[in-house]
Amino acid sequence: AQSVTQLGSHVSVSEGALVLLRCNYSSSVPPYLFWYVQYPNQGLQLLLKYTTGATLVKGINGFEAEFKKSETSFHLTKPSAHMSDAAEYFCAVSPYSGNTPLVFGKGTRLSVIA
Amino acid sequence: GAGVSQSPSNKVTEKGKDVELRCDPISGHTALYWYRQSLGQGLEFLIYFQGNSAPDKSGLPSDRFSAERTGGSVSTLTIQRTQQEDSAVYLCASSIGDRHNEQFFGPGTRLTVL
Repeated sequence: AQSVTQLGSHVSVSEGALVLLRCNYSSSVPPYLFWYVQYPNQGLQLLLKYTTGATLVKGINGFEAEFKKSETSFHLTKPSAHMSDAAEYFCAVSPYSGNTPLVFGKGTRLSVIA
Repeated sequence: GAGVSQSPSNKVTEKGKDVELRCDPISGHTALYWYRQSLGQGLEFLIYFQGNSAPDKSGLPSDRFSAERTGGSVSTLTIQRTQQEDSAVYLCASSIGDRHNEQFFGPGTRLTVL
C-alpha cells in the first residue's frame, strides 16, 4: 500500500523568497514520484517526476525536487517565488511497475505575497 | 486540441437525478483514469481502464457510480440518483500505458448537486 503526506495545507511566502513544499511517502516497493500543479479552475499539470536515476529532478518553471530514499521524502523547492507560482500543488506516488492509479497527497496551497 | 478534454465543464443537478460526465483522452493513450477532487480531500481514485482489460473499479464509492469506455477511447462516468455528497470536481486523466505512468489531466467537470 502507498500513501502520501504533504505537510502544510497552506504555505505563504514572499515574492523572491525560497519555496519549500514538503512531501513524504510510504511505499512497499520502489516508487515513482510526481509533483503536479493546479491553477484555479484548471486541471493538473505535471511539474516534474522521479522514476529512476538522478535523485535531483528539475521541472518546469524553475522547480526542482530531490528524492531521498532514507527520508522517504520528495520535497519541492524553488529558489525564488514569483507571483505566478500561486496555485495548489499535489505530490503523488506510483509503484515501480507504474501504469496504475496515482496516490495523491491532500495538496498544499501556495500563496505568494508581494 | 492535443490534450484531454472533458464535458461539461460545469454541471448543476438536483438530488436524485442521474448525470453523465464525458472524457476524451489524448489520441493513442491506452490508459484512462477517473479521479474525484473534493474540497480539502485531495484527489481520490475512482476507476481505471487499460486497453481491453477489465476496468479496475476498486475506487468507486458506491454502486450508483459506473463508467464505460467505448472503442478504447471516449469514457463516460455515470452517477445515478445523485446525492449532495457527490458534489466535487471530477477529473479524467490518460497515459500511454507504460510503467512510467505519466498521466495527463483534463480540466475537470465541476458537479454541484442541489
